[in-house]
Amino acid sequence: EADIYQTPRYLVIGTGKKITLECSQTMGHDKMYWYQQDPGMELHLIHYSYGVNSTEKGDLSSESTVSRIRTEHFPLTLESARPSHTSQYLCASRDRADSPLHFGNGTRLTVT
Amino acid sequence: AQTVTQSQPEMSVQEAETVTLSCTYDTSENNYYLFWYKQPPSRQMILVIRQEAYKQQNATENRFSVNFQKAAKSFSLKISDSQLGDTAMYFCAFMKHAGAQKLVFGQGTRLTINP
Repeated sequence: EADIYQTPRYLVIGTGKKITLECSQTMGHDKMYWYQQDPGMELHLIHYSYGVNSTEKGDLSSESTVSRIRTEHFPLTLESARPSHTSQYLCASRDRADSPLHFGNGTRLTVT
Repeated sequence: AQTVTQSQPEMSVQEAETVTLSCTYDTSENNYYLFWYKQPPSRQMILVIRQEAYKQQNATENRFSVNFQKAAKSFSLKISDSQLGDTAMYFCAFMKHAGAQKLVFGQGTRLTINP
């Protein structure tokens, strides 16, 4: 079973605050992804990484940034949160090119 | 760019019935992967089944099977003997075989299994 962890599970924060959503996996996967998902809606890729020091923007434009300093860790940062950032953020990882994604439980972010 | 379309926003069936969720996609690629993911309410997204485009045989996983029609670019999911635990959002997803291997998801189908 895949081990990929996201913290916090829920976050309510005021406008203008800086936040970091954590994502860690213990499987040694090179490829990691961040998806944004509004409730009951499709997933949109906002960032991905193919390894340490490799990050790319996804298909959906996002004001967030990511870093990949260690294989197991792929945090997402919002420098100044806004109500439009309210959503669920899902982190995922996989190893081989043909292997499926393993997802974390997600972080549900609410910006007031 | 690839697109994935799930035309059924919601479906509802009785327990033990068979249900089929539809998915179509658009791509110019010849080699790719297709997936069905399940997202139960407030729970983790998990893989249900996957299909490799170069394999003509339809994938099956216990009560779950797919009908892969490559020429029609169709990839439907059939759930047999449905159970209450099958209640979830179901997402169809596409991934190219080579290059930037990002998954592209459909809009999702909310499936409810009624007792």
